[in-house]
Amino acid sequence: EDQVTQSPEALRLQEGESSSLNCSYTVSGLRGLFWYRQDPGKGPEFLFTLYSAGEEKEKERLKATLTKKESFLHITAPKPEDSATYLCAVRVAAEYSSASKIIFGSGTRLSIRP
Amino acid sequence: IAGITQAPTSQILAAGRRMTLRCTQDMRHNAMYWYRQDLGLGLRLIHYSNTAGTTGKGEVPDGYSVSRANTDDFPLTLASAVPSQTSVYFCASSAGTSDADTQYFGPGTRLTVL
Repeated sequence: EDQVTQSPEALRLQEGESSSLNCSYTVSGLRGLFWYRQDPGKGPEFLFTLYSAGEEKEKERLKATLTKKESFLHITAPKPEDSATYLCAVRVAAEYSSASKIIFGSGTRLSIRP
Repeated sequence: IAGITQAPTSQILAAGRRMTLRCTQDMRHNAMYWYRQDLGLGLRLIHYSNTAGTTGKGEVPDGYSVSRANTDDFPLTLASAVPSQTSVYFCASSAGTSDADTQYFGPGTRLTVL
């Protein structure tokens, strides 16, 4: 069964304290991995798409990396405004569609203290 | 450009009542989706539409119906609401259904069924 697991569930950091969020996946055929940011009471906001092992993408203080079994979202010198829930999702072939489906992890709730 | 709008923002509904959640996008995207988000379970796909005039069932379709009369609108109907349908509902859209197409999300509707 296709599965996406994010860890930790919650992470509290001091401002400037770098860390990483993990997204591990067990899928039959990865067709893309996505990272989203979700603020309380809002919809997920797209951050990155990664397609193959070894690929990396960066945006401001965030860098996403991908291996054959997991992805990391590295946060360098975070600021309080980086506080949010970060969602990981994978695209795989869909049994109910001729296209593909996206499976979401349950997210990591990140809190940055000033 | 607003992107995706959803209405209402929140709703409290008596069990057994009929309810339609509205979703409109102005990006001329072909594909649209409805997800529900529950604590600890991540986002789960309810129904999708790859193009106007077509719809399909996702992971958790029971108790919900959709229609796609035109490109912009994708309403979700609960024919007879039950308490287990208490959730936050997100509408999303993507330009197409290829691996390169990113899903963009609306702000969500918080629904409580009593």
